[in-house]
Amino acid sequence: AQKVTQAQTEISVVEKEDVTLDCVYETRDTTYYLFWYKQPPSGELVFLIRRNSFDEQNEISGRYSWNFQKSTSSFNFTITASQVVDSAVYFCALSEENTDKLIFGTGTRLQVFP
Amino acid sequence: GAVVSQHPSWVICKSGTSVKIECRSLDFQATTMFWYRQFPKQSLMLMATSNEGSKATYEQGVEKDKFLINHASLTLSTLTVTSAHPEDSSFYICSARNSGGADTQYFGPGTRLTVL
Repeated sequence: AQKVTQAQTEISVVEKEDVTLDCVYETRDTTYYLFWYKQPPSGELVFLIRRNSFDEQNEISGRYSWNFQKSTSSFNFTITASQVVDSAVYFCALSEENTDKLIFGTGTRLQVFP
Repeated sequence: GAVVSQHPSWVICKSGTSVKIECRSLDFQATTMFWYRQFPKQSLMLMATSNEGSKATYEQGVEKDKFLINHASLTLSTLTVTSAHPEDSSFYICSARNSGGADTQYFGPGTRLTVL
């Protein structure tokens, strides 16, 4: 069965600290896709990244980086030098090849204090 | 690109009335749209998958007669909450999948429904 686990319910950091949000997934498929979305207080989900199961290269985009480890079924997200504007709920999600559905984790609420 | 809008952004209605929420993909065609609901401090729960020109597929436990979905064009899907009750109060979010893209779902800004 598909499942996404975000064990960290809430994280608080002070501005400029680095922070890593964990995501562990379960799937029986060999082809699948992993996503991260950001949900700021306004409520809209903002797409951050999509990664397919055959691409284990780590990705960096500005202060954001993602570490995909198939061996541990993890897709962790790191924010470097965090800023107050990074405060939001972050969702990790999984979809398998033959389905349209996104399976979401329970989200991690990140609070960045000045 | 990949902008999805929702209207209205919030609505307050009386118990027993019906409410229609629109979801539009503004700059791409979406053969598939999705409707989610989210309770406070919880994750998103998929309600139904809406395919253009065909009947929606509802998730287990979601009443199709209560949550009517219509996907009449490649850029518009509507969700109608019929005979709304206070327990239907929630944050409803739609998403659209770019039929020509890489299967990423792009989300609308959400609609907060409050039923009195």
